[in-house]
Amino acid sequence: SFELTQPPSVSVSPGQTARITCSGDQLEDKFVSWYQHKPGQSPLLLLYQDAKRPSGIPERFSGSNSDNIATLTIGGTQAMDEADYYCQAWDVTSVVFGGGTKLTVL
Amino acid sequence: QEQLVESGGGVVQPGKSLRLSCAASGFTFTSRGMHWVRQCPGKGLEWVAVIWNDGSHRYYGDAVQGRFSISRDDPKNTLYLQMNNLRVEDTAVYYCARRGGYSGDDLDLWGQGVPVTVSS
Repeated sequence: SFELTQPPSVSVSPGQTARITCSGDQLEDKFVSWYQHKPGQSPLLLLYQDAKRPSGIPERFSGSNSDNIATLTIGGTQAMDEADYYCQAWDVTSVVFGGGTKLTVL
Repeated sequence: QEQLVESGGGVVQPGKSLRLSCAASGFTFTSRGMHWVRQCPGKGLEWVAVIWNDGSHRYYGDAVQGRFSISRDDPKNTLYLQMNNLRVEDTAVYYCARRGGYSGDDLDLWGQGVPVTVSS
């Protein structure tokens, strides 16, 4: 079955760039979305169609998808960015989420 | 504003049934497919089910196939999840989410979530 693999955790210093990867078979042929999920809140769509930002999402959130690896890049990371991040894609008729990456801003 | 509000959660015994509801407002409900997604304690997001905007297609995750049923009542702008033969491992916060309006690959609006506990 189709799976998306993320690193369990990523750490970054404030103001630095954080990169979270998501890998899967033939992922570059699919659209990848990214979500931010903070405790006690609803997940928030950060990026869709690999790299497009919904209205209201800061420009420091960007994405790419090539060579079967999708990457979420957070530029100028802030303390408020500390959260769990999930990638997501469709596999024919089902939706698949990555296992999630906990971003710690040290 | 656009909003999704879930209800119907609670504590239920294994083997019993429960129906979750998701009330949509602020957008044209009939124009969007809808999902259910859950998060089990200490785990990540897990997709549960999707229904097309016109109800013509319904698909389920492997863990709930044959036990859960997704449906919608368009005049009431409400999405449902009928959960039968519940198991302890179905304990989770359940979110309804709207299918994205461009390619439809994303989930662009989420409810606040409703907790379901399956325990004897």
